[in-house]
Amino acid sequence: GENVEQHPSTLSVQEGDSAVIKCTYSDSASNYFPWYKQELGKRPQLIIDIRSNVGEKKDQRIAVTLNKTAKHFSLHITETQPEDSAVYFCATTERGGADGLTFGKGTHLIIQP
Amino acid sequence: SAVISQKPSRDICQRGTSLTIQCQVDSQVTMMFWYRQQPGQSLTLIATANQGSEATYESGFVIDKFPISRPNLTFSTLTVSNMSPEDSSIYLCSVDGRGNIQYFGAGTRLSVL
Repeated sequence: GENVEQHPSTLSVQEGDSAVIKCTYSDSASNYFPWYKQELGKRPQLIIDIRSNVGEKKDQRIAVTLNKTAKHFSLHITETQPEDSAVYFCATTERGGADGLTFGKGTHLIIQP
Repeated sequence: SAVISQKPSRDICQRGTSLTIQCQVDSQVTMMFWYRQQPGQSLTLIATANQGSEATYESGFVIDKFPISRPNLTFSTLTVSNMSPEDSSIYLCSVDGRGNIQYFGAGTRLSVL
């Protein structure tokens, strides 16, 4: 089955700096790559996603890049703010939301004031 | 996005008993999913529930332990049977919503004594 590796497990950055989280996957058939943010005690919330026909997608301070040849994708957060502190999960699947997701182990992002 | 209601939000149960978790969505959806999130861990897919057919279980999860019902396009239940302390987790349902994106319920926090 699919295997998703996520790094780092913990990331501490100064407020205003950028944060980058990376994931690699094993199944070349994967074509949908969402990122979820989970605050303590809350449900996972989709923050951005990318499909295999594009290499990069941006939404304000958040961007995701995809390298299908190397089987990795990354989340980039610029100008980090205290409210960005949370656990971030990458995930993959073959058929978008119509398939169950395989998640990475998560990255605990800490924004230092 | 879909509005998903999950009940109960939390419960404390005795070992050997069973708990049924309900997931209700405010619109008709084809696919519903059940995940487990052990304390401080990532999400793991338990099964996929498609209306009108048997649920499809992931490796390591069996129907006798986690029976699932999907009686219509807006509702599903997951039962955790013959519980042991190792079943203490957060159980989340998700749905394949608009734009082929998965949306999550708030989860059921289960503690087994």
